[in-house]
Amino acid sequence: NAGVTQTPKFRILKIGQSMTLQCTQDMNHNYMYWYRQDPGMGLKLIYYSVGAGITDKGEVPNGYNVSRSTTEDFPLRLELAAPSQTSVYFCASSTGMLNEKLFFGSGTQLSVL
Amino acid sequence: RKEVEQDPGPFNVPEGATVAFNCTYSNSASQSFFWYRQDCRKEPKLLMSVYSSGNEDGRFTAQLNRASQYISLLIRDSKLSDSATYLCVGYAGKSTFGDGTTLTVKP
Repeated sequence: NAGVTQTPKFRILKIGQSMTLQCTQDMNHNYMYWYRQDPGMGLKLIYYSVGAGITDKGEVPNGYNVSRSTTEDFPLRLELAAPSQTSVYFCASSTGMLNEKLFFGSGTQLSVL
Repeated sequence: RKEVEQDPGPFNVPEGATVAFNCTYSNSASQSFFWYRQDCRKEPKLLMSVYSSGNEDGRFTAQLNRASQYISLLIRDSKLSDSATYLCVGYAGKSTFGDGTTLTVKP
């Protein structure tokens, strides 16, 4: 059972570079999320999606973009990477029901130097 | 004010101790609450949901007080393997995480 798969696991970017973090889930979940976690902090919501074609901003969306063309995939795009975007990124999915359990990918450690 | 606030700790306790974590939330529209466990910056994993009536899962007991907007997690008979960061989560259309409470259980 794959669950939520994130790639890559690690990446180093130079300031100003761009990249896409990939996230795919095979549980047919409608809801998908991108979080970032800075050292010693909790998870902050970047963007989320309640279904294909629908996305919305979370708490910290600046510097990121997302798309949701299929139920399975929810890529996160970083344009013009900055050192402040150095963080661990987690993708998650859920059914969106009231008592939802979040299923997380294993995370992407991103460093911007 | 953060929407979900936790005492960051760290909590350092001996094996066998009982430890309690507290969490407060500010969004009165929050419908559901959860405790997640996170090990060494790995992905968080659901520990337990929190119900108004209180609920127990083995050594773990969760409580919710909606009037005070307060959530707690009690761990009895702590084990070395309980060492982790515990994240309080409130759900109001989307999940909001606290910053976590770090627990270290020592021999």
